[in-house]
Amino acid sequence: GAVVSQHPSWVICKSGTSVKIECRSLDFQATTMFWYRQFPKQSLMLMATSNEGSKATYEQGVEKDKFLINHASLTLSTLTVTSAHPEDSSFYICSAGGVSNYGYTFGSGTRLTVV
Amino acid sequence: DAKTTQPPSMDCAEGRAANLPCNHSTISGNEYVYWYRQIHSQGPQYIIHGLKNNETNEMASLIITEDRKSSTLILPHATLRDTAVYYCIVPTGTASKLTFGTGTRLQVTL
Repeated sequence: GAVVSQHPSWVICKSGTSVKIECRSLDFQATTMFWYRQFPKQSLMLMATSNEGSKATYEQGVEKDKFLINHASLTLSTLTVTSAHPEDSSFYICSAGGVSNYGYTFGSGTRLTVV
Repeated sequence: DAKTTQPPSMDCAEGRAANLPCNHSTISGNEYVYWYRQIHSQGPQYIIHGLKNNETNEMASLIITEDRKSSTLILPHATLRDTAVYYCIVPTGTASKLTFGTGTRLQVTL
């Protein structure tokens, strides 16, 4: 149980375009999901907390207008990287939390490359 | 999150027990200790968590000191597939979000 599915697993896009990443909880409902970013050889950095039916909460230094988060249902949160630039190239990971026996479950991640 | 301190790296021979320490001296009474690991280019994987008592599951054992200021994750028979970065995390706050430190890079060798 407690599976989080993240798609796509990798994506290449051109500078200036937008990319949407989906995060789904498959067998449980998640009122809260989390989005992380990870650069090579670094740890995961929390970007934002996605709240079902309300606005996301962004960590300090994360541009909310650039990283749009939508959590329209109890099983789906999306992260849209708008007007992507090469410096946005990174590994993006979502998680849904608090399922007691399994801790917090993470998606498999999305490798974004902006060219 | 309560600050955690882990050694940056450790080596372990395959088949031997891997003991990964974590200090969390500022932990408060109702905060859990979680352990995750991240194999290269994958999302983190939940291993185990505990509050006060020692815990064991099919993956590992978690030993928490009586004062709760430190804990040790034990992989009883490490294999090459256990090579990963291991994170000890103490989530805090009502949102219970997880903040990752630098973790311990465990290298299991033949």
